[in-house]
Amino acid sequence: EDKVVQSPLSLVVHEGDTVTLNCSYEVTNFRSLLWYKQEKKAPTFLFMLTSSGIEKKSGRLSSILDKKELFSILNITATQTGDSAVYLCAVDDYKLSFGAGTTVTVRA
Amino acid sequence: NAGVTQTPKFQVLKTGQSMTLQCAQDMNHEYMSWYRQDPGMGLRLIHYSVGAGITDQGEVPNGYNVSRSTTEDFPLRLLSAAPSQTSVYFCASSYGRAGEQYFGPGTRLTVT
Repeated sequence: EDKVVQSPLSLVVHEGDTVTLNCSYEVTNFRSLLWYKQEKKAPTFLFMLTSSGIEKKSGRLSSILDKKELFSILNITATQTGDSAVYLCAVDDYKLSFGAGTTVTVRA
Repeated sequence: NAGVTQTPKFQVLKTGQSMTLQCAQDMNHEYMSWYRQDPGMGLRLIHYSVGAGITDQGEVPNGYNVSRSTTEDFPLRLLSAAPSQTSVYFCASSYGRAGEQYFGPGTRLTVT
């Protein structure tokens, strides 16, 4: 059975801190790994990763994939209170399998 | 361009009642799917469709039916509601099979 595991389940940081979120996976026919941000409503897309070692970057967020070790990390630098959300990792093997998410709380 | 729309936003049902959650998209996406989200469990795939007339089961299909008569619409039917179906339901669509998906605003369903 396909499995996507995110860690930690939750964390609390202060504004300006850097956070690193982890996502490990076991799927049969890997096509891509996606990161979403969810703030009390529908998830919104952040990144899609298909190749190992190539960092995707958007502002203070970045992500990288390791297809050999079967994991991805999402980094958020110089965190702001607006970064408080649940971050979801999903793996596409012709359907999306989601992890349980990491709840990030950024305190002012 | 409304994106993915879902109705209703909230619904309360009694055990045994049936209802249909509506989902529509105006982006001409071939792929549509339904998820449920429960606390601490992320999103779980209920059913999906790769095009009009084609549907398939996801991870948790029991108690739900779907049909896809048009590209735009993908309704989810609860046949006989149970308290275990209390959840938030999201519909999503994408250009291709899975990949980056656009989510609707969700329907919060409570079954008493």
